[in-house]
Amino acid sequence: EVQLVESGGGLVQPGRSLKLSCLASGFTFINYGMNWIRQAPGKGLEWVASISSSSSYIYYADTVKGRFTISRDNAKNTLYLQMTSLRSEDTALYYCGRSNYEVLDAWGQGASVTVSS
Amino acid sequence: DVQMTQSPYNLAASPGESVSINCKASKSINKYLAWYQQKPGKANKLLIYDGSSLQSGIPSRFSGSGSGTDFTLTIRSLEPEDFGLYYCQQHNEYPLTFGSGTKLEIK
Repeated sequence: EVQLVESGGGLVQPGRSLKLSCLASGFTFINYGMNWIRQAPGKGLEWVASISSSSSYIYYADTVKGRFTISRDNAKNTLYLQMTSLRSEDTALYYCGRSNYEVLDAWGQGASVTVSS
Repeated sequence: DVQMTQSPYNLAASPGESVSINCKASKSINKYLAWYQQKPGKANKLLIYDGSSLQSGIPSRFSGSGSGTDFTLTIRSLEPEDFGLYYCQQHNEYPLTFGSGTKLEIK
C-alpha cells in the first residue's frame, strides 16, 4: 500500500523557518517525482513545488520561489520542504504528493503549518 | 500561468442522480487535465487523468471528457460516498494549477 506521511508542521513566528518531511513507503521512491501542495484554511489547493526522481528538475510556485527549497533523499525514501522567511499567508495544510507525469496519484494526509506571532 | 476556472462552486444532488462539473483552462492544455476528490479525514484521491483516463480502482460511474480548454467530470448514479469536494488540475505545464473546487452536497 502506498503511504505518504508528512511531519514537521507546527506554529512558527513570521520570518522564521520550518522544515517539513514526507516519508514514503509501499512503492519504489526513486522511480517517482514528488511534490508539495498546500491548502490554506477554507481555500483550494495550491501547488508549491516539484522535484524529479533524480532531483535533476525542480520547479517552484512564484509565491514561494527564493524562500522554499524542495529536496529528497532517495536512500531514506524521504521528501523535504525547507521553508524560510515564513509569512502569515504561508499558513496552510501542506500535502506531500507522488507524481506520475505531473499527475498527483498519491497524497499524504498533510502537515499543518501556522505562521503567527 | 494557466488559469483554471471550475464551475459550479456548489452542487446539490440526490443519490442515484447524475451530475457534471466543468473546468475551463485559460489556454489549451491539450488533454492534460486531472480530477481529484477531497473528503475530510481521507487522502485526496485521483479520479481521472489525461482528460478521460480512469485511475485504477475508481468506479466506472466517474468519467471525464474534453480537450483543449474545456473539460467535464461526470458522475453517474451518485452514491452516498461521492459527496465531497472536487478539484481539477492541469498537468500540461508548470506551474501546475488547480481549479477553485466544487462542493458536491446531498440534496
